[in-house]
Amino acid sequence: NAGVTQTPKFQVLKTGQSMTLQCAQDMNHEYMSWYRQDPGMGLRLIHYSVGAGITDQGEVPNGYNVSRSTTEDFPLRLLSAAPSQTSVYFCASSYGPPGNTEAFFGQGTRLTVV
Amino acid sequence: GENVEQHPSTLSVQEGDSAVIKCTYSDSASNYFPWYKQELGKRPQLIIDIRSNVGEKKDQRIAVTLNKTAKHFSLHITETQPEDSAVYFCAASLSGGYNKLIFGAGTRLAVHP
Repeated sequence: NAGVTQTPKFQVLKTGQSMTLQCAQDMNHEYMSWYRQDPGMGLRLIHYSVGAGITDQGEVPNGYNVSRSTTEDFPLRLLSAAPSQTSVYFCASSYGPPGNTEAFFGQGTRLTVV
Repeated sequence: GENVEQHPSTLSVQEGDSAVIKCTYSDSASNYFPWYKQELGKRPQLIIDIRSNVGEKKDQRIAVTLNKTAKHFSLHITETQPEDSAVYFCAASLSGGYNKLIFGAGTRLAVHP
């Protein structure tokens, strides 16, 4: 049982490049979320999903896309990377809504945009 | 918009002392308040949570208190140990829709031997 797995762990992008951060969970959780963590700002919600085929925007969605074709996978796409997207990204999954049940986090992806 | 304020941003204590971290929230309908611990370079992990129908919850050296009237909740760690050194995040649920969480900015706790 691996829990929530994110890849890659580290990534450097040039401004304007695109990439996909991968997230997979093996706990059969319906709820999945992407957060970004910036110094002094805690964790901010980018996008979330309440099940396969259902996604919606969080607090800071601009510049990011998501899709949820299976229960297990929830990739985050950066369309055209900008230096403001330099951050640590965490994927999380939970059995129920994160506002009501424990969220399990991946190990994070540290992204630098130059 | 709704927010969660967390204080202090850094906290330094001697091993064996107590540590207290405080959070206030703005959504009066919030009913779930978890605390996550993030060790250096690691993922956040839930250490304790409390729901709005309870005023206090304890788990060994960790306790959380909730004052719904004042809209604030606190994490108390007694007999601190060096392995308690980490960043602690409080969070509060947001009413409606997806039932999201909103996080505080975090408190970096350093426990010195």
